[in-house]
Amino acid sequence: DTVLTQSPALAVSPGERVTISCKASESVSTRMHWYQQKPGQQPKLLIYKASNLASGVPARFSGSGSGTDFTLTIDPVEADDTATYFCQQSWNGPNTFGAGTKLELK
Amino acid sequence: EVQLVESGGGLVKPGASLKLSCVASGFTFSDYWMSWVRQTPGKTMEWIGDIKYDGSYTNYAPSLKNRFTISRDNAKSTLYLQMSNVRSEDTATYYCTRYNGWFAYWGQGTLVTVSS
Repeated sequence: DTVLTQSPALAVSPGERVTISCKASESVSTRMHWYQQKPGQQPKLLIYKASNLASGVPARFSGSGSGTDFTLTIDPVEADDTATYFCQQSWNGPNTFGAGTKLELK
Repeated sequence: EVQLVESGGGLVKPGASLKLSCVASGFTFSDYWMSWVRQTPGKTMEWIGDIKYDGSYTNYAPSLKNRFTISRDNAKSTLYLQMSNVRSEDTATYYCTRYNGWFAYWGQGTLVTVSS
């Protein structure tokens, strides 16, 4: 299975720009997707196919990458963005998820 | 508005069976593939499997395909997950999702706890 590696946690101040990375163990083309999960809630789709903004998601969120290296950018970060962010690939075999990056606001 | 509402979770003993349901609304259920995804207490996300819009094809995570079965009733806009011979490691929140190659919409989840 394709393993997705994410940094476990980040802390940033409101108004700053933050990048969250996801590295795949093999190429996933552009079939990488990003989700936001706030405490006690279900995940919510943010970005699909590496760089496409999901419906209703603020333009502060963007995605980039192809192959094995992907980035989710939030610019500027707001207090409401406190959450865990997961990447997920749908290119190779079974869908797999990263372990998530917990974003905290200073 | 797309809504997915899961039910059927609870406390179940090891070796038992359990059937989860997910009622969909706000879209034409029979037009979409659907999936189940679970999240462990440690927050690990695992794809369970998916089912084609007409129910004619299913695809499962290899580690689960012998114990879990996904089905759907398009007349009732309902997705099902039949779990058999459950184990402690099946303890998780189970989410119903609308699948486009990515998980576009998620239900609120139903918690399954496997314990004697």
